[in-house]
Amino acid sequence: GENVEQHPSTLSVQEGDSAVIKCTYSDSASNYFPWYKQELGKRPQLIIDIRSNVGEKKDQRIAVTLNKTAKHFSLHITETQPEDSAVYFCAAMMYSGGGADGLTFGKGTHLIIQP
Amino acid sequence: GAVVSQHPSWVICKSGTSVKIECRSLDFQATTMFWYRQFPKQSLMLMATSNEGSKATYEQGVEKDKFLINHASLTLSTLTVTSAHPEDSSFYICSARDPGVHFEKLFFGSGTQLSVL
Repeated sequence: GENVEQHPSTLSVQEGDSAVIKCTYSDSASNYFPWYKQELGKRPQLIIDIRSNVGEKKDQRIAVTLNKTAKHFSLHITETQPEDSAVYFCAAMMYSGGGADGLTFGKGTHLIIQP
Repeated sequence: GAVVSQHPSWVICKSGTSVKIECRSLDFQATTMFWYRQFPKQSLMLMATSNEGSKATYEQGVEKDKFLINHASLTLSTLTVTSAHPEDSSFYICSARDPGVHFEKLFFGSGTQLSVL
């Protein structure tokens, strides 16, 4: 099965600086890579995702890059703000078009934005 | 995105009792729902895949007789923790997707914090 590694486990950055979180996956058949943001006691919220036929995707201050050859993908947050503080999870999946395909999650990164 | 509702949000129970958690897809039909468990400061671990009208598929190491899953309709899956013990205390969260509209995107319920005394 799929195995997703995520680093770092904790990341502290100054407000306004950029943050980068990296993940690697093991199954070359995986073709969908979402990122979730989870605040304490709350549900994970999908913030951005990328399919394997795309190398980069951007949404305002958030971007994701994918290197299929190396089997790694990264989350980039620019101009960080205090409300970006949360736990971020990467995930990977081979999506075949139905509803039954499950996600494998990384262990999470606790992002701390220092004022 | 697709709306997934889960309740209760939290429950406290005595050891040995059973607890039922409901997960509903509010604006779509879900033939499959996923149940995850999350311990403090840890990742989401898939417990089982709930299939409408058929038996759930459990991940290795998850006791199917302890975590009963019923998916009786296209909008409702339930997870019952039977004979709960303190080590079952955790955050339980369901998820589903609406492939006809949101394709591969997976949406989560609000989670249930279970505390077993």
